[in-house]
Amino acid sequence: DTEVTQTPKHLVMGMTNKKSLKCEQHMGHRAMYWYKQKAKKPPELMFVYSYEKLSINESVPSRFSPECPNSSLLNLHLHALQPEDSALYLCASSQDRTGGSQPQHFGDGTRLSIL
Amino acid sequence: AQRVTQPEKLLSVFKGAPVELKCNYSYSGSPELFWYVQYSRQRLQLLLRHISRESIKGFTADLNKGETSFHLKKPFAQEEDSAMYYCAPRSNDYKLSFGAGTTVTVRA
Repeated sequence: DTEVTQTPKHLVMGMTNKKSLKCEQHMGHRAMYWYKQKAKKPPELMFVYSYEKLSINESVPSRFSPECPNSSLLNLHLHALQPEDSALYLCASSQDRTGGSQPQHFGDGTRLSIL
Repeated sequence: AQRVTQPEKLLSVFKGAPVELKCNYSYSGSPELFWYVQYSRQRLQLLLRHISRESIKGFTADLNKGETSFHLKKPFAQEEDSAMYYCAPRSNDYKLSFGAGTTVTVRA
């Protein structure tokens, strides 16, 4: 299995809702990433997990809460989001965070709309 | 400040013509350079990395440290090359950043 799988593909939620985005990979990768991509813009890094520990938080608001329950799974918990948080959220993984010139493998993303 | 610039937002070429996508970077240290591509309705995927010095789908990219550039080239563009291309340096703290992207359209 050489894919990163993200669920759900689409999510519409109100500003008071709590929801979670899920990401799964079975490539044995030990680094996982969350990116945010607004329309017609490049992806922007949000969080990096390395060996299930949070190693980079790019000053993301606390209404986004990442979680890495095991080496194959990465969640992004959402609470009290704002309309400007509407975007495509991409998950990626790589063999590990530091070694060599390893590429990141991306999922299809979850398209999030905040009402 | 670290910066990556892709000066062309849109690039339109005829099939069989050469295509070159420019990428300039301003980073401290020695970043690793990647090109990622996103075809219509497909996920973002790696095209090339500078360390491999490989040719993928006819594309090559040469790292010019003097000019801090990593331009992507293909001598004969094909219709299936139509896509969004991102230049992506990875800094010494292992963060991957993306340029603004260049949309390539190859016309028959």
